[in-house]
Amino acid sequence: KNEVEQSPQNLTAQEGEFITINCSYSVGISALHWLQQHPGGGIVSLFMLSSGKKKHGRLIATINIQEKHSSLHITASHPRDSAVYICAVEDDKIIFGKGTRLHILP
Amino acid sequence: DAGVTQSPTHLIKTRGQHVTLRCSPISGHKSVSWYQQVLGQGPQFIFQYYEKEERGRGNFPDRFSARQFPNYSSELNVNALLLGDSALYLCASSLEVRWGAGAYEQYFGPGTRLTVT
Repeated sequence: KNEVEQSPQNLTAQEGEFITINCSYSVGISALHWLQQHPGGGIVSLFMLSSGKKKHGRLIATINIQEKHSSLHITASHPRDSAVYICAVEDDKIIFGKGTRLHILP
Repeated sequence: DAGVTQSPTHLIKTRGQHVTLRCSPISGHKSVSWYQQVLGQGPQFIFQYYEKEERGRGNFPDRFSARQFPNYSSELNVNALLLGDSALYLCASSLEVRWGAGAYEQYFGPGTRLTVT
């Protein structure tokens, strides 16, 4: 069974800071997803990765298949980025991490 | 176009009761998945339905059941509620079975918050 670990669990930073959230998994996967969950519950898919790196606006996601590790970076962070960021991996099932709660202070 | 809708938004039930949660997918989406998210945890996969057939089941007891209707909407039923069933129940829809990018992307509903007392 795949184990998904995210770090840190909680992160508070000042507006403008560069943010990194990490995700590690234990068994080979077919794809990895990064999701954003705002207070109230709504979830939005940010990225799907099977290799390399993807960029969308101020968000960058990378994956290292050999090391079984992915990172989500936010450049020039803004208070509206405050949310829970969740990593999910696909092998024969979808397994989610517990999430990283990010709070950006103005 | 409307997104994924779920009803009700909030629900309070007593231990031992039964609950039915409803989900309407995005128009044209044939796949509906259900997830349970306990406070402070990530979501856990419960079921996936595609073209009205069960295509996947997570590690949940038989008290949990679901079905998909001809219009692709879906119901999640939970019998004999326990305190531990208190959670946010999320529904997601997609065009295809596998979760991916583009046409395979999953779109999540706002969730139903169930409290069991």
